[in-house]
Amino acid sequence: QAGLTQPPSVSNDLGETATFTCTGDRNNVGSQGVAWLQQHQGHPPKLVSYRNTNRPSGISERFSASRSGNTASLTITGLQSEDEADYFCSAWDNSLAGWVFGGGTKVTVL
Amino acid sequence: EVHLVESGGGLVQPGGSLRLSCVGSGVGFSGDWMHWVRQGPGKGLVWVSGINPDGSGTYYADSVKGRFTISRDNAKNTVYVQMNSLRAEDTSVYYCVNGEFDSWGQGTPVAVSA
Repeated sequence: QAGLTQPPSVSNDLGETATFTCTGDRNNVGSQGVAWLQQHQGHPPKLVSYRNTNRPSGISERFSASRSGNTASLTITGLQSEDEADYFCSAWDNSLAGWVFGGGTKVTVL
Repeated sequence: EVHLVESGGGLVQPGGSLRLSCVGSGVGFSGDWMHWVRQGPGKGLVWVSGINPDGSGTYYADSVKGRFTISRDNAKNTVYVQMNSLRAEDTSVYYCVNGEFDSWGQGTPVAVSA
């Protein structure tokens, strides 16, 4: 199952902004809603954004997502230590008739 | 919000079988798609299978097609995955997930080894 492409790691200082991407193609990111998941070490993933730009209740406004063409992005503003985690993107793929995930981006807060 | 609890994981020999179960509580289980997603040791997330709300539609990743079968019993708020012909590469933590990945269980580990 072909996956989505994410940078392996991103880092920035406490209080700064981190933005990272998720690249797919017209069969997934380009035409379907993208979800973003946060996973802390040893815990199950947690949804932080769905259908490209929507934030579930209880998720901080510091998390925002967008999509342009075949690339989706997640931005975390005012980085906090608790934001250190792995972040995965996912989308339904029309050609595969299944969900695909990115390999994950590890966010480090310096 | 749906609360999900998986069970049924364990150690199995290559070629063996396991059935995982996931019980959901809270509003909305029977109206939601349900999925199984797995994560190998130190690895990323991999979608395994999904089933639509009434159980009439099932979908599988190519890597498990023909070996795994997903099903659900809405009267019991339970989704299952029957895993046959297990391989070493199926070793993972298996998560039960609802909707568009809204809620995740804690996961149940499956180890395939001789």
